[in-house]
Amino acid sequence: DAKTTQPPSMDCAEGRAANLPCNHSTISGNEYVYWYRQIHSQGPQYIIHGLKNNETNEMASLIITEDRKSSTLILPHATLRDTAVYYCIVRTSGTYKYIFGTGTRLKVLA
Amino acid sequence: EAGVAQSPRYKIIEKRQSVAFWCNPISGHATLYWYQQILGQGPKLLIQFQNNGVVDDSQLPKDRFSAERLKGVDSTLKIQPAKLEDSAVYLCASSPREGAHSPLHFGNGTRLTVT
Repeated sequence: DAKTTQPPSMDCAEGRAANLPCNHSTISGNEYVYWYRQIHSQGPQYIIHGLKNNETNEMASLIITEDRKSSTLILPHATLRDTAVYYCIVRTSGTYKYIFGTGTRLKVLA
Repeated sequence: EAGVAQSPRYKIIEKRQSVAFWCNPISGHATLYWYQQILGQGPKLLIQFQNNGVVDDSQLPKDRFSAERLKGVDSTLKIQPAKLEDSAVYLCASSPREGAHSPLHFGNGTRLTVT
């Protein structure tokens, strides 16, 4: 079963920051949080991952709370091409399974 | 680097027929995953390979689905016989090795329609 909970949908104005929340209250100490996005008719695309420190790359920033029970993916300046379904995943330790939930459908509005 | 290759891109079959999907992971990637994605849902893990051994197939309906990864490289997923509820996109993903922090790389999937 998925170990994450996300809102089903969100809207964001073009050029503004998109903040996508994720709850993973049952995460274990050595389990990583991964974020992927999926644009229609394509496979999921990796965005970013982290363990407990905040992370940033060219696509996004990942903020993980100190207790690690939730995280937020930040797209600093959303564009129309960021419209997609965003998945927050906790990668299980041991067998390293990536279990997807239902994700958040982000719509960037012009 | 070349991405994960999957074929065919689309397949339409009638129920009770058989079908096979093929995946060629990124060169050197030891771990390979097959996912099933039904319309409107997130991908569901079917089977995970490490080299040519099965790590997890707990969600694979073994009465009709089978998968193999000969020589630890390419993989095939087979459905025999297909049911209407098998209509979905079948995604293949690979990563360098189990435990690594390198992310999964996905192919664009095979869209199966069972009529």
